[in-house]
Amino acid sequence: KAGVTQTPRYLIKTRGQQVTLSCSPISGHRSVSWYQQTPGQGLQFLFEYFSETQRNKGNFPGRFSGRQFSNSRSEMNVSTLELGDSALYLCASSLGDRGLNYGYTFGSGTRLTVV
Amino acid sequence: GDSVTQMEGPVTLSEEAFLTINCTYTATGYPSLFWYVQYPGEGLQLLLKATKADDKGSNKGFEATYRKETTSFHLEKGSVQVSDSAVYFCALSEYDMRFGAGTRLTVKP
Repeated sequence: KAGVTQTPRYLIKTRGQQVTLSCSPISGHRSVSWYQQTPGQGLQFLFEYFSETQRNKGNFPGRFSGRQFSNSRSEMNVSTLELGDSALYLCASSLGDRGLNYGYTFGSGTRLTVV
Repeated sequence: GDSVTQMEGPVTLSEEAFLTINCTYTATGYPSLFWYVQYPGEGLQLLLKATKADDKGSNKGFEATYRKETTSFHLEKGSVQVSDSAVYFCALSEYDMRFGAGTRLTVKP
C-alpha cells in the first residue's frame, strides 16, 4: 500500500514569502503529525491532527499553522518566512493519535530552503 | 515535561561488532517507546516498539527492552553490518511523540 506522500520534495523561497506543504497519509490513518528537523535542534514537534481536529501543538510561533481535511490529508503553512525556517519538514501518520501503540510512518519530507 | 535522552554520537564500529545505543526517558505516566532509523535523504522509519514495561521490541536483529525501573530503552544488535549505518532515534509517546537527538552510527567493513 502507498506510504506517506509529501509534496513538494524540495522548495526554495525568499524571506517574507509564505509556503504551503502537503501531506497525504497512509489510507486509513486518521492521525497526522508534523515535525521540523534541523541539524542544530533535531526533531521538533509542530502539531498533530486527528480527525480534522488539532490535538496538540508544539512551541512554534503563530506563523506556523496547519489543517487536516476530511480525507485525512494535511497541509501546513508558514507565513512571513525567515532564514531560520530552512529545514526538513516531516509528516507522519498513524492509526492511533500520538502514535500510541502503533508508532508513526513518516514521509520522505519536504526540504525548505529560505534565501 | 516528557523527554528522551540518548547517547551522543557519532558511533563508529567495525562490521560484526556488538552495538549498544543507550536511551533513557522522563515521563509522567506510562508512555509507549520506539526506535526509529533514518537513512540519508529519507524520512524516519519505525524500527521497533514496546508499549508496556518489560516488553521487548525486536526487528532486523535489533532489540530493546522497556525497563520502567531504570526508565531505559537501550538499543542492541549482536552483529552490525555496513548497511546498518544510519542515524538512530529513540522516542516516546505519551501526550505527543518526543524524539531524542539521534545517534549517528557508521559501520566500517
